[in-house]
Amino acid sequence: GIQVEQSPPDLILQEGANSTLRCNFSDSVNNLQWFHQNPWGQLINLFYIPSGTKQNGRLSATTVATERYSLLYISSSQTTDSGVYFCAVAGGSYIPTFGRGTSLIVHP
Amino acid sequence: ETGVTQTPRHLVMGMTNKKSLKCEQHLGHNAMYWYKQSAKKPLELMFVYSLEERVENNSVPSRFSPECPNSSHLFLHLHTLQPEDSALYLCASSQALNTGELFFGEGSRLTVL
Repeated sequence: GIQVEQSPPDLILQEGANSTLRCNFSDSVNNLQWFHQNPWGQLINLFYIPSGTKQNGRLSATTVATERYSLLYISSSQTTDSGVYFCAVAGGSYIPTFGRGTSLIVHP
Repeated sequence: ETGVTQTPRHLVMGMTNKKSLKCEQHLGHNAMYWYKQSAKKPLELMFVYSLEERVENNSVPSRFSPECPNSSHLFLHLHTLQPEDSALYLCASSQALNTGELFFGEGSRLTVL
C-alpha cells in the first residue's frame, strides 16, 4: 500500500509564528486530505486537496501530485492551533492511509 | 445536527462484557469506516463498508464484530476484549469509496479493565 510520511513529528511555536508541515507519499493518489485532531480527539477537516493550492483564513495547503508531496502552511499561529495534524491519502486501492501526524504546540 | 455522530463518547468495560459502539451519518454517504487510534500510534483502519457490504477487514481480531444494517448506520460489537484494545475508536463516512472527503465523528474512547 501507499506509504505516508509526515514531518516534522513534533513542532513547538510561539504564538504568532508561521510554520510548514509536510506530507510525502509513495505513489500516485486520487485523494489527499489534511486534518486537525483537537485535544478531545475529534478529527476536523482542513483541506481536501489531491492537487493544487487552497487557502482558508490563516491556513493554506499545496499538493504537488507529480512530486508526491503536500504542504500545510499555518500563519500567525494561535494557541487554538495546537493539536495533531494528519495527512491522509488514497490511491488505486481507495483505502485512505494516514501518516503518523505532526504534533503542534503553540505557546502564548 | 452534526454530520457523523458516535455513541457512547466514553465507555469502560470489563474483559467479559459485551458492548456496542454506534455510528450514524446524516450526510447521505455510501461508505463508512471504523478506525482505531491507540496512544502514540497512527490511525489504523479496521473495517470499510460500501453500500452496506463489507469491502475491507484489515486483519482485525474476531472479538470486534462490525454490522452495517443500512448506509446510515454502522456498529462495532465488542466482546471479550483485552486491555490493549483500549483506544479511541473513530467512525468516518465518505460519498463513496475513493471519492470525496472523509468526515469523522467525535470518537468513542474505550477503556478495557
